[in-house]
Amino acid sequence: GQQVMQIPQYQHVQEGEDFTTYCNSSTTLSNIQWYKQRPGGHPVFLIQLVKSGEVKKQKRLTFQFGEAKKNSSLHITATQTTDVGTYFCAVDSTGTASKLTFGTGTRLQVTL
Amino acid sequence: DADVTQTPRNRITKTGKRIMLECSQTKGHDRMYWYRQDPGLGLRLIYYSFDVKDINKGEISDGYSVSRQAQAKFSLSLESAIPNQTALYFCATTEGSNQPQHFGDGTRLSIL
Repeated sequence: GQQVMQIPQYQHVQEGEDFTTYCNSSTTLSNIQWYKQRPGGHPVFLIQLVKSGEVKKQKRLTFQFGEAKKNSSLHITATQTTDVGTYFCAVDSTGTASKLTFGTGTRLQVTL
Repeated sequence: DADVTQTPRNRITKTGKRIMLECSQTKGHDRMYWYRQDPGLGLRLIYYSFDVKDINKGEISDGYSVSRQAQAKFSLSLESAIPNQTALYFCATTEGSNQPQHFGDGTRLSIL
């Protein structure tokens, strides 16, 4: 079945430092979604990437889809304490767009 | 997401008990999902449904059953709860293929 590896599992940064999480798939993906879950909260959709090599930005967040459509990254520039949470990638696990397989997530801790 | 409501929010029960977790949504979405979240394992799909007559098993359906009573309601049952079903359970909905998933606030279930 679909396997999605997400690294690192955990990262602790000081406010103002950059942060990157990576999502790697064993198969070519049709698209990838990213979600954020605040501590004690539920996952919230951030963005979807569809095209090979696609780059999308949301303020300090930059999302990238690999050229081979097997990997993706989320980069946060100059982290803030509001960025604390767990970031998940999610991929279409069957190619039929019926269900998602979530990565194991990267937990980000930001301290002053 | 206030449009997706899960009840109860917390539940503590004993091994062998039957438990039902309920999910209702006002988004008008046909597709509904049940996930469980365990630390370090991300979100794993239990069951999903595309309409009241369509129920599908996810990757970890053993020990669980579901009922889609109406477009807006999707319930998850544990017929005879066991301690390793202790987890955080999320319901989610989506409008269709390759669309964002909208999550409820979750049910924290502890089985003693």
